[in-house]
Amino acid sequence: ETGVTQTPRHLVMGMTNKKSLKCEQHLGHNAMYWYKQSAKKPLELMFVYNFKEQTENNSVPSRFSPECPNSSHLFLHLHTLQPEDSALYLCASSLGESSYNEQFFGPGTRLTVL
Amino acid sequence: DQQVKQNSPSLSVQEGRISILNCDYTNSMFDYFLWYKKYPAEGPTFLISISSIKDKNEDGRFTVFLNKSAKHLSLHIVPSQPGDSAVYFCAASAGAAGNKLTFGGGTRVLVKP
Repeated sequence: ETGVTQTPRHLVMGMTNKKSLKCEQHLGHNAMYWYKQSAKKPLELMFVYNFKEQTENNSVPSRFSPECPNSSHLFLHLHTLQPEDSALYLCASSLGESSYNEQFFGPGTRLTVL
Repeated sequence: DQQVKQNSPSLSVQEGRISILNCDYTNSMFDYFLWYKKYPAEGPTFLISISSIKDKNEDGRFTVFLNKSAKHLSLHIVPSQPGDSAVYFCAASAGAAGNKLTFGGGTRVLVKP
């Protein structure tokens, strides 16, 4: 595998379910990101991890819980979501913390909350 | 309030002609600007970037122009090819804020053969 991979690619869950999204990067990067893209809206940054430490939480509700066990893996744990949380969730990685480092994106997980 | 705006949701252009995509921003702290391209069922891929110390950056068929006084940037694709049909996102960052990117809503480009 190369680049940034995300699993699952599609997920349908009920409001009472607990699920997790997984992201893995094979690029040797030190920064990882979660973005949300809702219909008709721009990509919104959710969380940033630099060297496994969370450095940004963009006012994300606590029903979204990120986890970064190492620089190559990033998880987004989901619980008691709402239908308005249905969106495309994109993971990205970059070499470091500089804004000049290009971010590489995974293909995304299409989430539907019923 | 959106700090990065792409006011044209779609653009249709004939193969071989020029595609011009526009992006406006409001935050004067932004000092680095990027364009990403996205095909269906794939994540965005980096296309080209420009620092605020420049007003133009060129890479092959792609040129980005920055007008800081107008807080406006544009992406020119010349000549346009059918494989350029995709959604293009403008993004901006403020160096002091580290690696946070603020994205525009995207412009869908269709290049007709």
